[in-house]
Amino acid sequence: GAVVSQHPSRVICKSGTSVKIECRSLDFQATTMFWYRQFPKQSLMLMATSNEGSKATYEQGVEKDKFLINHASLTLSTLTVTSAHPEDSSFYICSARFRDEQFFGPGTRLTVL
Amino acid sequence: AQSVTQPDIHITVSEGASLELRCNYSYGATPYLFWYVQSPGQGLQLLLKYFSGDTLVQGIKGFEAEFKRSQSSFNLRKPSVHWSDAAEYFCAVGPPHRGNEKLTFGTGTRLTIIP
Repeated sequence: GAVVSQHPSRVICKSGTSVKIECRSLDFQATTMFWYRQFPKQSLMLMATSNEGSKATYEQGVEKDKFLINHASLTLSTLTVTSAHPEDSSFYICSARFRDEQFFGPGTRLTVL
Repeated sequence: AQSVTQPDIHITVSEGASLELRCNYSYGATPYLFWYVQSPGQGLQLLLKYFSGDTLVQGIKGFEAEFKRSQSSFNLRKPSVHWSDAAEYFCAVGPPHRGNEKLTFGTGTRLTIIP
């Protein structure tokens, strides 16, 4: 149980376009989901906390207009990278909170050309 | 601000040998402590966690970790590694009494197993 999926697993886009990444809790309801970014050889950095039915809480330095988060249901949160640029290329990982643990998705590799 | 240090970027051990991965943290109080493992192309899996109580915690896959308050450390150990243990390992801290929120991760230690 407590499985989290992400879609797509890989995406390549052109600079200036927007990309949407989905995070789903498959067998539980998650009022809180988290979005992380992981650069090569580096740690996971928390970008924002997504709360169902309310606005996301962004970490300091994360542009909320750049990284749009929507948590419209108890099983789905989406991250939209707007007007993507090569520096947005990274590995994006979501997690969903269930009881006292975070369950992580497999990640999405975004490459912006 | 809280921080987590994993001083070893890459460790190579022989199959069957013992393993210790180091983790030091900086936090205003005793945080919640976690070890996660990440295999290529997969999400993070929780190995074990420490909230309070016994400072030696047992986890899945034969791993254990010991919390040492005086050293601000939470090192991960396994007496005998298997080839399937090859992966990236992350230590993380979270705010006490707030469950599993706003985790701060270390930079990770990549474990390579040689036959």
